[in-house]
Amino acid sequence: SAVISQKPSRDICQRGTSLTIQCQVDSQVTMMFWYRQQPGQSLTLIATANQGSEATYESGFVIDKFPISRPNLTFSTLTVSNMSPEDSSIYLCSVVLAGGFGELFFGEGSRLTVL
Amino acid sequence: GQNIDQPTEMTATEGAIVQINCTYQTSGFNGLFWYQQHAGEAPTFLSYNVLDGLEEKGRFSSFLSRSKGYSYLLLKELQMKDSASYLCAVRDPFYDYKLSFGAGTTVTVRA
Repeated sequence: SAVISQKPSRDICQRGTSLTIQCQVDSQVTMMFWYRQQPGQSLTLIATANQGSEATYESGFVIDKFPISRPNLTFSTLTVSNMSPEDSSIYLCSVVLAGGFGELFFGEGSRLTVL
Repeated sequence: GQNIDQPTEMTATEGAIVQINCTYQTSGFNGLFWYQQHAGEAPTFLSYNVLDGLEEKGRFSSFLSRSKGYSYLLLKELQMKDSASYLCAVRDPFYDYKLSFGAGTTVTVRA
């Protein structure tokens, strides 16, 4: 396993503002992903964070709204831009570690509330 | 895409056994995962099946039938701490590490 640190763990944000979430991993990482979990719902993949290049977004998610950076193998950021109450959710960083069989490990999540 | 179905809720008594079913319909298959998620916490990995059959890990077992598009997670000797949501996830056959999750089954263990 690995230690996957996310911050902030929670925040209350005003409509129209943007917030950047950071994810730092202490082990060798093969893949990094960002998921969203809306209240009472399951996990939805936002995008794959690619090292040194643009992220790969899933249908329904766009770079202007959710810009993602991954400057090195073990660090990534997700920005939620121009927030609205519909963006209130838990955002989870997840990784596939080198040497495993592809299971995902998750950070503790960042719980955002947009007023 | 992936269509993954599991029951919404299940209730069982402490010490009992509960079986959570998961059916999937996909254009291909490259492995099925089960995760446990306690309220307010991140999901944690429980099990992985890629071949047909039963994988046992302590009180938890997971079964897979690829021909039927079916898996189950079996929780034995239930404890109160097993109250959680259990998520079935299928790996994308065309993109090895991407997982699609079912909606989750909330299991409530009662004394």
